[in-house]
Amino acid sequence: KAGVTQTPRYLIKTRGQQVTLSCSPISGHRSVSWYQQTPGQGLQFLFEYFSETQRNKGNFPGRFSGRQFSNSRSEMNVSTLELGDSALYLCASFYGTSETQYFGPGTRLLVL
Amino acid sequence: DQQVKQNSPSLSVQEGRISILNCDYTNSMFDYFLWYKKYPAEGPTFLISISSIKDKNEDGRFTVFLNKSAKHLSLHIVPSQPGDSAVYFCAASYRRSGGSNYKLTFGKGTLLTVNP
Repeated sequence: KAGVTQTPRYLIKTRGQQVTLSCSPISGHRSVSWYQQTPGQGLQFLFEYFSETQRNKGNFPGRFSGRQFSNSRSEMNVSTLELGDSALYLCASFYGTSETQYFGPGTRLLVL
Repeated sequence: DQQVKQNSPSLSVQEGRISILNCDYTNSMFDYFLWYKKYPAEGPTFLISISSIKDKNEDGRFTVFLNKSAKHLSLHIVPSQPGDSAVYFCAASYRRSGGSNYKLTFGKGTLLTVNP
């Protein structure tokens, strides 16, 4: 069974731009979570989607948004990029009621 | 407020010996705990988990122990192998009865180095 895939793997943007990251979950998984990893803050929860609905949201500004499609694929968008948004963005998928989340390889975003 | 803490940023052990990684938590609502292993530039890989109704779970070389009264869990790796060298993250979550909270709260990680 294929794992979680994320595209693109690497991205360079400049301040003020916006970016869209994509995540395809493991086949059969209907839930997708997004996390941001930075050296200073570690792994922090962004939001989680199940059946196209956002179930939980972390403590991030409104510039961070996401959505989930009917095939469970998910995208996250960051608008008006700031230098501090440079991070590894990780997507995880799991069964709707399972506790164990499986992570993709991440998208490394660099904001210049 | 850091609800999940891994107080040792790094740990170095000899190949074949036991590695013990520790994790403390402050939120008594947490009822499910996981350990992930992470290599640089890769996503975390799930290793092992434990529910709060248990105090031990074993999977091959990996054993997780949970002490609810102390709000402490540990991951034991026996025997340690050089390929185990990575950053290990402890994570916790809680599900209120009928709730839908699937957020994982992570510790900052411990870098394990297994020397040949």
